[in-house]
Amino acid sequence: DSGVTQTPKHLITATGQRVTLRCSPRSGDLSVYWYQQSLDQGLQFLIQYYNGEERAKGNILERFSAQQFPDLHSELNLSSLELGDSALYFCASSERVTSYNEQFFGPGTRLTVL
Amino acid sequence: AQSVTQPDIHITVSEGASLELRCNYSYGATPYLFWYVQSPGQGLQLLLKYFSGDTLVQGIKGFEAEFKRSQSSFNLRKPSVHWSDAAEYFCAVGAAAGNKLTFGGGTRVLVKP
Repeated sequence: DSGVTQTPKHLITATGQRVTLRCSPRSGDLSVYWYQQSLDQGLQFLIQYYNGEERAKGNILERFSAQQFPDLHSELNLSSLELGDSALYFCASSERVTSYNEQFFGPGTRLTVL
Repeated sequence: AQSVTQPDIHITVSEGASLELRCNYSYGATPYLFWYVQSPGQGLQLLLKYFSGDTLVQGIKGFEAEFKRSQSSFNLRKPSVHWSDAAEYFCAVGAAAGNKLTFGGGTRVLVKP
């Protein structure tokens, strides 16, 4: 158990819908990362927040957005969903902001868009 | 831009045999290198990491990796695999001053009894 929790574990929805994925980082970790794992794209970095502020952006679509709240939990919002958004979405957390610090991964949320 | 290549998509190994997983990276400066393991239905767990110093690094579960700058490689090895080592293994590179990790495509390891 990494100490990172993600809810829900599974999510099935239809095209065009909007969903919210939630992540609670390890106690004391200020940095949260979101990754998408799909069969065709592999494991891709989406976005990082540190202590409530956006710090880095990767291959995140404009239909996707994220935020980190004062209690440090984070939410990833996916809207106007398409079939290709079906993937496993991981949240990771680390103590600080740089890649020097180990990232601890949650179990993931599997999103299926029908 | 940084990138990682894992040339082997699948590897099958007999229990008790040795295992080597290949990883090649592309990065302009000194990289931070990582190996993660993902068991079925689980998140990723860090096996080991290299930042500087000794080019042979030891990790958890009996794994080790060797950084070879001249070959831009960071291969993962285990002398004797156990059935529980069946999983997918990911090599990743991070920028020294940055924060995101770039992952390779992964290598799925199957262990035969």
